[in-house]
Amino acid sequence: DQQVKQNSPSLSVQEGRISILNCDYTNSMFDYFLWYKKYPAEGPTFLISISSIKDKNEDGRFTVFLNKSAKHLSLHIVPSQPGDSAVYFCAASASGTSYGKLTFGQGTILTVHP
Amino acid sequence: GAVVSQHPSRVICKSGTSVKIECRSLDFQATTMFWYRQFPKQSLMLMATSNEGSKATYEQGVEKDKFLINHASLTLSTLTVTSAHPEDSSFYICSVAGNYGYTFGSGTRLTVV
Repeated sequence: DQQVKQNSPSLSVQEGRISILNCDYTNSMFDYFLWYKKYPAEGPTFLISISSIKDKNEDGRFTVFLNKSAKHLSLHIVPSQPGDSAVYFCAASASGTSYGKLTFGQGTILTVHP
Repeated sequence: GAVVSQHPSRVICKSGTSVKIECRSLDFQATTMFWYRQFPKQSLMLMATSNEGSKATYEQGVEKDKFLINHASLTLSTLTVTSAHPEDSSFYICSVAGNYGYTFGSGTRLTVV
């Protein structure tokens, strides 16, 4: 049972344009969501997170949107840069006030072309 | 955030031998650490939650006798893959959680030949 799904295995974007990565979840107990960037043979690097009490969080070029009714979140990267090319994972936690285990999506390979 | 050191970064072992992977929290006392496994082109799957001073909590389908976890101090958790077989070849990653969020180790590529 895949509780966190990233239905797009890959995304290709031109440099300077917007990258939109999508993630859906099924567990209504999830209350904390994160996006990670990962290169092969390396650990994930944290990008941005959002609590279920918010619907938007912004940090520089990265913005995460959360639609709880649709159980959907998205990561927007504007403007996209070639250095953003990597695998992006969304993750969710049903942790309440503590940091519990994360459930990851399958990942989306983002390629940003110069 | 926390600084997490994981090693070795890669290891090749013979089938039937055991391999130990270390995860150290260098600047944070971690009462809880997590161990994940990632097969090629797949997601990170949680194997177990490692609790300092107590037994680890394993996810369904993960053999606790095969993947031994020891979290004897607030800065060190170890994962030992016992009697490794080729199907255990994977990328293993630890994570530390705390008030700052989650920090991941750099991962260990295990190849069993």
